[in-house]
Order: sequence, then structure tokens, then C-alpha cells
Amino acid sequence: KQEVTQIPAALSVPEGENLVLNCSFTDSAIYNLQWFRQDPGKGLTSLLLIQSSQREQTSGRLNASLDKSSGRSTLYIAASQPGDSATYLCATPGSHSGNTPLVFGKGTRLSVIA
Amino acid sequence: SQTIHQWPATLVQPVGSPLSLECTVEGTSNPNLYWYRQAAGRGLQLLFYSVGIGQISSEVPQNLSASRPQDRQFILSSKKLLLSDSGFYLCAWSPAWDSKNIQYFGAGTRLSVL
Repeated sequence: KQEVTQIPAALSVPEGENLVLNCSFTDSAIYNLQWFRQDPGKGLTSLLLIQSSQREQTSGRLNASLDKSSGRSTLYIAASQPGDSATYLCATPGSHSGNTPLVFGKGTRLSVIA
Repeated sequence: SQTIHQWPATLVQPVGSPLSLECTVEGTSNPNLYWYRQAAGRGLQLLFYSVGIGQISSEVPQNLSASRPQDRQFILSSKKLLLSDSGFYLCAWSPAWDSKNIQYFGAGTRLSVL
């Protein structure tokens, strides 16, 4: 059974810093991996999706990497801003196919201090 | 474009009362539909998912049930709420035709059982 872990649970950084959020998964035979953002009391917004054949995806200041052999993904945020403050979750399908429910990590709560 | 609606946004209910949360998707047909719960200090937990009308899969045995009376309508129900049912409930959909399984989330319902 796939399990997803995110470390750290919370992170506080000053504005302008580059930072890395970590996600690990137990079954390396993943189909894809998604990173989401959740603002307090709100739903989830998909940020990036990495297919199993890819090593990274980029969107603006965000870069997500995937290393299946080590069971890890990282989300890199460049030049952090106070507006980046949110909880970031990673998730992967629970089985080795695309259209199955996602298994989520508990998230990393990020605070960017101005 | 596709949109997902979830209501109500917040709900306060006494223990033992019934529950009905509704989720509808517009702009697509035959979506995969999901109900998740996010409890304080815990990750996002899949409750139910559906790949078609009347087809419901339950992930966790509990006090809740789900129904899909129409193609783009997903309802979460309970006959008698428990204190442990408190949490943030999220509905999501993904296109059945896209194996990437990118999920799109509603704004959520904050349920407090007192």
C-alpha cells in the first residue's frame, strides 16, 4: 500500500529565500506525482504534475523533481514571497495506473515572512 | 470550462443529526468523482470515489455514505453524525478520459459536530 510522507511539517522562512519541500513515497512504481497548494480553509489547487517518465517540471518560480529510485520528490520555490504562504501537499495514485484515487502526504505548512 | 461547486461552505450540526453535502461538476461529462476528509492534524483521507452513476467505492468503513444520482452530482450523507465526523470535506473530480488523473477540487465544507 502506497504511503506518502512530507517533511518538514512546517517551515518558516524570510522573504526572498529559495526553499525546498520534500515528499517521499514507499512504492517507487508510481504512475505520476502531483504537488498541490492549499490556502487556509480552502480547497486544493494543482501546481505541478510529474509523469513517471519525467524527472522534473517547472512553472514560474516552482520546480518539482522526481527520483523514483529513491522514492522522493522535491518542490523548489525560488525567491519566496509572502503570497507563497500556504500548505503544500504532494500526492500520487494509490495503484500503478492513472485513474485511481490519490494518496496524499500530510503537507508542509509554509510561512514566508516579509 | 469545467467548474466544481460544493455546498454548504460551513455547517454546524449537533451529534446525532443527519448530514447531506452536495457536489456538482459543470462543463464535463462522466467525470470521476471523489470525497475526501481533512481532519485536524491529519492528512487528506479518501472517503469515497465514483467512476459512474450508481458506482460508489468506499475506502474507509465509517458513519458516512455517498451517492451519485446523476452523472455530475455526488452527495455525501450520514444518518447520525458523530463528534469524530468533524472536519473539512473536499469534493474533487478528474476527467475519466485523461489517465494523468489530475484532480480538481471544490472549495470545501467545514463541518463542526457539537
